[in-house]
Amino acid sequence: DAGVIQSPRHEVTEMGQEVTLRCKPISGHDYLFWYRQTMMRGLELLIYFNNNVPIDDSGMPEDRFSAKMPNASFSTLKIQPSEPRDSAVYFCASNDRGSSTDTQYFGPGTRLTVL
Amino acid sequence: RKEVEQDPGPFNVPEGATVAFNCTYSNSASQSFFWYRQDCRKEPKLLMSVYSSGNEDGRFTAQLNRASQYISLLIRDSKLSDSATYLCVVNAPSGNTGKLIFGQGTTLQVKP
Repeated sequence: DAGVIQSPRHEVTEMGQEVTLRCKPISGHDYLFWYRQTMMRGLELLIYFNNNVPIDDSGMPEDRFSAKMPNASFSTLKIQPSEPRDSAVYFCASNDRGSSTDTQYFGPGTRLTVL
Repeated sequence: RKEVEQDPGPFNVPEGATVAFNCTYSNSASQSFFWYRQDCRKEPKLLMSVYSSGNEDGRFTAQLNRASQYISLLIRDSKLSDSATYLCVVNAPSGNTGKLIFGQGTTLQVKP
């Protein structure tokens, strides 16, 4: 069974450009989480969805960040305009709460570099 | 105070050594506890859940002390392949949301 899929795996862009990160959760999982990881701040939760509905976006750093989940098998995280301080690894994770566990399964991440 | 606190290390140990990591969490209402492992430049992966009675998986033993809000991970007979960052994770108890809170991680380097 395929795990969480993220694309692209690496993204290098210039300051001011729009960046779109994509995620496909594990089929049947009803929760989807977007995280950002840096050396300084560790793993930070940005936003999460339940059944495609955003539940908590309090971790989204500012209005330049937006996330959508148009259907159960796809989500995007967009940064517009991007800044060098957005450079980080962005992970998507999914979870099946119906399995009575809080275990989250992570995708391989997108390594973003903003020049 | 951070919600989940860990000693970042690094812990440098020889092969075959026993090493223990500790973690404290701030919210006494948390109900789910985990250790995740993260290899360099990879995603975090579940290592094991932590149960109130303590649990063991091969060379790995996890324990929970609810009174002290303290979680531990013990690795016996360390292997080179155990070198990684170990993340202590607890659930955010409010609202049964499935939200997890990750510690900063403890780095382990096992040397030959």
